[in-house]
Amino acid sequence: DVKVTQSSRYLVKRTGEKVFLECVQDMDHENMFWYRQDPGLGLRLIYFSYDVKMKEKGDIPEGYSVSREKKERFSLILESASTNQTSMYLCASSRGWGELFFGEGSRLTVL
Amino acid sequence: LAKTTQPISMDSYEGQEVNITCSHNNIATNDYITWYQQFPSQGPRFIIQGYKTKVTNEVASLFIPADRKSSTLSLPRVSLSDTAVYYCLVGDRVKETSYDKVIFGPGTSLSVIP
Repeated sequence: DVKVTQSSRYLVKRTGEKVFLECVQDMDHENMFWYRQDPGLGLRLIYFSYDVKMKEKGDIPEGYSVSREKKERFSLILESASTNQTSMYLCASSRGWGELFFGEGSRLTVL
Repeated sequence: LAKTTQPISMDSYEGQEVNITCSHNNIATNDYITWYQQFPSQGPRFIIQGYKTKVTNEVASLFIPADRKSSTLSLPRVSLSDTAVYYCLVGDRVKETSYDKVIFGPGTSLSVIP
């Protein structure tokens, strides 16, 4: 089975802190994605990557950056966390543009 | 932006068949229709995908009319464990540079009542 692992299920950070969310997939998928999910808004795409060192902005990239140095790992970075970035963050991967496989999610609270 | 429209919520009693319809008036020739299911505190998981007519697997059926401007996810004899949010996506499986297929709308929140 494909496994997408997110480093932390729950995080609590303070405003202004730098936050790293790590995601690792074990199926050699080319594409990886970061979403955030908020009540009533569904999943919104932050960034995606279709190859190592390649990245594309999604619908809401402001306040975020990403890093993909290795094919299996895709990191989401909040340079200076703010309270409006309190959310559930979901990582996904896919082979080509087929089925998306999601991680369990990381719930971030920014105080 | 999501290219689909679904009801925000639905209720159903246990044992009933549930049909969730998704509108995608601007579906393109190469677009496929994909449905995902999401339980609370989990990431979405793939349920079914189709291009036209009918697709059935062990979980659900997907009905797509000839004009492909809508599709219906059918869940037979739902149970309490089917309470979840269901998302409909459309997109081109071949087009390498497009991420339209991975844009999720708000989905349909299905509540199954005992």
